Amino acid sequence: AQTVTQSQPEMSVQEAETVTLSCTYDTSESDYYLFWYKQPPSRQMILVIRQEAYKQQNATENRFSVNFQKAAKSFSLKISDSQLGDAAMYFCAYPKGNNDMRFGAGTRLTVKP
Amino acid sequence: DVKVTQSSRYLVKRTGEKVFLECVQDMDHENMFWYRQDPGLGLRLIYFSYDVKMKEKGDIPEGYSVSREKKERFSLILESASTNQTSMYLCASSFGGGKNIQYFGAGTRLSVL
Repeated sequence: AQTVTQSQPEMSVQEAETVTLSCTYDTSESDYYLFWYKQPPSRQMILVIRQEAYKQQNATENRFSVNFQKAAKSFSLKISDSQLGDAAMYFCAYPKGNNDMRFGAGTRLTVKP
Repeated sequence: DVKVTQSSRYLVKRTGEKVFLECVQDMDHENMFWYRQDPGLGLRLIYFSYDVKMKEKGDIPEGYSVSREKKERFSLILESASTNQTSMYLCASSFGGGKNIQYFGAGTRLSVL
């Protein structure tokens, strides 16, 4: 069974606008971390942002922020002031167990000039 | 900066060939991972290693084996390549598991003809 679900295979946004990518996950744990990774075309995957589940405050990294709803098991990524360089595949990820990271199917973000 | 290097960006092999994919990291990370990335399926874990000579199966280990003789190097082996192993292969490393960020290589796109 898939642990992490990204329901939007593709999204597009106009340059300078805001876009939100959705992610839901399934866990019975109370203390865990959640991640968003970005994979630009033909380039390696890098971390965008990390959220600690026991922290109520949503994580923020410059133009990237999350909306973490623990009870709903929802972890969406908001990109503000979108730039052409934000075009990429975005993966939501959740560590299952001590070593195993589960990834969603990904959302391909297109940024229109 | 953490560097994870995969030996080849592109490989073309014949059915039945033995294929080696090499990955090297320079940050003394304990954990190393091999993922397979397919459209619509996200990243699926093939194998991971938490120490030299130690390995654990991921979700899709069939048809693959791994080797970790040195801490910095983790090899993925396709004993007898088949066309359904045509895919993008990503290597990653991390310091510990769970909450720790995984750092990825650029990927190897393997075509089996």
